[in-house]
Amino acid sequence: GENVEQHPSTLSVQEGDSAVIKCTYSDSASNYFPWYKQELGKRPQLIIDIRSNVGEKKDQRIAVTLNKTAKHFSLHITETQPEDSAVYFCAATYNNDMRFGAGTRLTVKP
Amino acid sequence: EAQVTQNPRYLITVTGKKLTVTCSQNMNHEYMSWYRQDPGLGLRQIYYSMNVEVTDKGDVPEGYKVSRKEKRNFPLILESPSPNQTSLYFCASTPGTSGRGEQFFGPGTRLTVL
Repeated sequence: GENVEQHPSTLSVQEGDSAVIKCTYSDSASNYFPWYKQELGKRPQLIIDIRSNVGEKKDQRIAVTLNKTAKHFSLHITETQPEDSAVYFCAATYNNDMRFGAGTRLTVKP
Repeated sequence: EAQVTQNPRYLITVTGKKLTVTCSQNMNHEYMSWYRQDPGLGLRQIYYSMNVEVTDKGDVPEGYKVSRKEKRNFPLILESPSPNQTSLYFCASTPGTSGRGEQFFGPGTRLTVL
């Protein structure tokens, strides 16, 4: 089955800096890669996703890149703000089962 | 309001006492799933359902059962809970019959098994 690894597990940046979180997956058939943000005590919420026929997708300060050959995808957050502080999860799926990474705790220091 | 609801939100129980966590969505979504969240392990899928009467195992199904008799409801059943099932549980739903789409999560159920 699919295995998703996520790095780093914790990330601390200064407000205004960029943050990058990386994930690798094992099943080359995986074709959908979402990213979820989970604030403390709340439920995960989708922030951006990408499908395997696209190499990059951007939504304001957030972007995701996908390298199918290397089987890795990354989340990029530019101009970070304190409200970006949360746990971020990547995920991958081919068929119907969703596999998540272990999460990255991002702290944005004012 | 479009939402996924779970009950109860918090539950403390003892080993071996059967329990059910309910999940309901009002968005007419076909796909529903259950996850458990544990520190350092992220979200792990327990079971998923692509439509009524269609369910399948996820990554960690042992010790759990599900049923999907109606589109809106997807209860999680622990026939004989054990302490290693102490966790935070999330139900989620997605439009379409696959998991390839935005998952709308419920508020979570924090379960403690003594």
